[in-house]
Amino acid sequence: DTGVSQDPRHKITKRGQNVTFRCDPISEHNRLYWYRQTLGQGPEFLTYFQNEAQLEKSRLLSDRFSAERPKGSFSTLEIQRTEQGDSAMYLCASTLGGSSDYEQYFGPGTRLTVT
Amino acid sequence: GQNIDQPTEMTATEGAIVQINCTYQTSGFNGLFWYQQHAGEAPTFLSYNVLDGLEEKGRFSSFLSRSKGYSYLLLKELQMKDSASYLCASEGQNFVFGPGTRLSVLP
Repeated sequence: DTGVSQDPRHKITKRGQNVTFRCDPISEHNRLYWYRQTLGQGPEFLTYFQNEAQLEKSRLLSDRFSAERPKGSFSTLEIQRTEQGDSAMYLCASTLGGSSDYEQYFGPGTRLTVT
Repeated sequence: GQNIDQPTEMTATEGAIVQINCTYQTSGFNGLFWYQQHAGEAPTFLSYNVLDGLEEKGRFSSFLSRSKGYSYLLLKELQMKDSASYLCASEGQNFVFGPGTRLSVLP
């Protein structure tokens, strides 16, 4: 257990439905990252926050995806009008964000299955 | 742009030494990470190289050559529990993971 938690751990939804995932980082960590990982591939960067500011957003993140970190603590990732291609493991990671603290601590992930 | 390449699979014997290579092309390169990921679990941090050279941490060592865009992870005295995927990741304008190298350690 790294101290990063994600909820839910598994989500099965029908195509076209909206889903929302939550990530609770380690409390003193300023940076929070979202990744998507499919079987046999490395994690793909989606977006990251420095406190409550969303500083970077991948081109992979279509308009159907949105992320928030309203108070600089927990974060949510919402996928609207889900498609079968959205089926993947969604990973959250956090780090202190300082120049001397670079290790990203990953949560257990949320596995999304779109039927 | 950013591109990372590493072998898809490797096999080694318990007690042996294995070297997993990674080449990268990264805009605004800051450093190179290695993560270990067991099947069905999240990645866990192994090492971070910023400067050229070898960094040793127990049975695991990581090497970086910035001029060549090259890194390797060296695993010594392999154990069965080292069977996992090893992810190379570069930090530049974005944080980019490679596809991972699936290592199988055989008895």
